[in-house]
Amino acid sequence: AQSVAQPEDQVNVAEGNPLTVKCTYSVSGNPYLFWYVQYPNRGLQFLLKYITGDNLVKGSYGFEAEFNKSQTSFHLKKPSALVSDSALYFCAVREVDTGRRALTFGSGTRLQVQP
Amino acid sequence: DTGVSQDPRHKITKRGQNVTFRCDPISEHNRLYWYRQTLGQGPEFLTYFQNEAQLEKSRLLSDRFSAERPKGSFSTLEIQRTEQGDSAMYLCASSLRQGQEQYFGPGTRLTVT
Repeated sequence: AQSVAQPEDQVNVAEGNPLTVKCTYSVSGNPYLFWYVQYPNRGLQFLLKYITGDNLVKGSYGFEAEFNKSQTSFHLKKPSALVSDSALYFCAVREVDTGRRALTFGSGTRLQVQP
Repeated sequence: DTGVSQDPRHKITKRGQNVTFRCDPISEHNRLYWYRQTLGQGPEFLTYFQNEAQLEKSRLLSDRFSAERPKGSFSTLEIQRTEQGDSAMYLCASSLRQGQEQYFGPGTRLTVT
C-alpha cells in the first residue's frame, strides 16, 4: 500500500524568507511524486512532479522539490516566500510498478506567509 | 485550452435522495478520475477511467456509488440513497495518456441534510 505523511498541519514564514513544506512517502517500489496547491474555493493546481532523473525538480511559481530516496522524502521549497503563496499544499504519490493510476494524497499543510 | 469543468458546483440534498454529478475533462485527455475530499483531509481516490473503460475502483466506492463515461468524454458520478456521511467535495481530474500529472476541476460540494 502507498501512503504519504505531511507532518506539519501549518507552516508559518515571513515574506522574503525561504520556506519548506515537508513530505515523506511509503511505497513498495519506485514512486512518482507530486505537489499540488489549493486556494480557497478553487480546485487543486499542479505545481511539480518527480518522475525520474534529477533529484531536484523545479515547478510553477518558483517552487522546487528535492527527491531523497534514502529518506523517502519529497520536501517542497521556495527560496523567497510571497504573501500570495499562502494556501493549502498537498503532496501525493503513485507507485510506478503496479500500473495503478490512483494518487494517494497527504492530509495537507497550510502555508501562512506573513507580510 | 479550457480546464476540467464540473457541474453543479454545489448540491444540497436530503438524506435518501439520489444525486448525479457531471465532469467534463480537458479535451484530448483520455484518462479521467474521481476523488472525494472531506474537510481537513486530502483527496481520496474513488475511481479511474481510461477512455470509456473503468479500470480502477476504490473500496470507498460502495454499491450506492456508480460512475460512467459512456463515450470516453464526459463522466457522471451517481450516489443513490444519499447518507449524511456522503457530504464532501467531489473532485474530478483528467490526464493525458502519456502524462503523469492529473489536472483537477473545481469540485462539486455535496451537502446531505
